[in-house]
Amino acid sequence: DAKTTQPTSMDCAEGRAANLPCNHSTISGNEYVYWYRQIHSQGPQYIIHGLKNNETNEMASLIITEDRKSSTLILPHATLRDTAVYYCIVYGRGSWGKLQFGAGTQVVVTP
Amino acid sequence: DADVTQTPRNRITKTGKRIMLECSQTKGHDRMYWYRQDPGLGLRLIYYSFDVKDINKGEISDGYSVSRQAQAKFSLSLESAIPNQTALYFCATSDLQRNEQFFGPGTRLTVL
Repeated sequence: DAKTTQPTSMDCAEGRAANLPCNHSTISGNEYVYWYRQIHSQGPQYIIHGLKNNETNEMASLIITEDRKSSTLILPHATLRDTAVYYCIVYGRGSWGKLQFGAGTQVVVTP
Repeated sequence: DADVTQTPRNRITKTGKRIMLECSQTKGHDRMYWYRQDPGLGLRLIYYSFDVKDINKGEISDGYSVSRQAQAKFSLSLESAIPNQTALYFCATSDLQRNEQFFGPGTRLTVL
């Protein structure tokens, strides 16, 4: 599976959009980009995933560049409850369900 | 996620003891996973199972064993616990199609 690179940490003001970058320059054509988050030692929570088109759900939007070498997770209106570690994971069907978690990005939303 | 439960939630034990962590799910998923998480690090896969008769090692299976007693139950055992197995342990499930994994609340294990 392709590796991902994320910033170690970032801050965001409450009510503002949080834009979380992820680089995955070695991604293959059949690999998806998944995002999970983990709030203070709770079990990780699935956010969103995509292959090449931009995706949006009730939690976030995922923007994948045309060359698919990077992506951005957007939390449109960050709240204090969005403070968490965010993991960007590249997953291919050949991974047989196995997710490779890196260190993620610690996002702190401040009042 | 209340659909995935883990017991116990916290456990303190001594070196050399046998420990079993249990996971149950009501989501009807075939796939189940055990991960461990050390402080400041991401999750690492210990074992995974795609159905009752299927057990596979993950990246850090040494010192652990698992049992898939039913579709809904997946247990992790430490045959002889050692201090460096002190960690947070998560169980997860997913279905065949989406690979959206649902995680339990975790078990905090301390081995003295």
